[in-house]
Amino acid sequence: DTEVTQTPKHLVMGMTNKKSLKCEQHMGHRAMYWYKQKAKKPPELMFVYSYEKLSINESVPSRFSPECPNSSLLNLHLHALQPEDSALYLCASSQEVTEGGGNEQFFGPGTRLTVL
Amino acid sequence: AQRVTQPEKLLSVFKGAPVELKCNYSYSGSPELFWYVQYSRQRLQLLLRHISRESIKGFTADLNKGETSFHLKKPFAQEEDSAMYYCALSGKNFNKFYFGSGTKLNVKP
Repeated sequence: DTEVTQTPKHLVMGMTNKKSLKCEQHMGHRAMYWYKQKAKKPPELMFVYSYEKLSINESVPSRFSPECPNSSLLNLHLHALQPEDSALYLCASSQEVTEGGGNEQFFGPGTRLTVL
Repeated sequence: AQRVTQPEKLLSVFKGAPVELKCNYSYSGSPELFWYVQYSRQRLQLLLRHISRESIKGFTADLNKGETSFHLKKPFAQEEDSAMYYCALSGKNFNKFYFGSGTKLNVKP
């Protein structure tokens, strides 16, 4: 399996709701990522997990809470979001790399989130 | 600071014409450069990376360290090449990608 899968494809939630986005990969990758992509903009990095540990948090508000239960799964828990958080949320994975390259990231199709 | 610049938001060419999507970067060290493509309603996918020196779908890109550029080229554009193209850089922190703002390529019949 050489794909990153994400569920759900679409999510509509109110500002008081709690929801979760899920991401899964079975390529043996040990680095996983969450990105946020607004319309006609490039992906913006939110979080990086390396060997199931959070290694990068790009100053993301605490209403976004990532979780990596195992090496194949990555969740993003959402609570008390704002309408401006509406976007496409992308998950990606890559091999854990050292100097020498090979850091290709494989992207999922994304979850289209709308916050009302 | 690391930065990737794609100066053109939109590039329109006719089918069969050559195409060049520009990418310049700033990085103090030896980065790894990538081109990613996002076709309409499809996921972001790797097109090519500089270390592999491949030609994918007729596209090539050469890393020019002197000019700090990694322009994407294709001699004869096809309509199916119409998509959003992102140049990306990976540096010392190999888990971190820096994306350019993207260039939308429109190939007209």
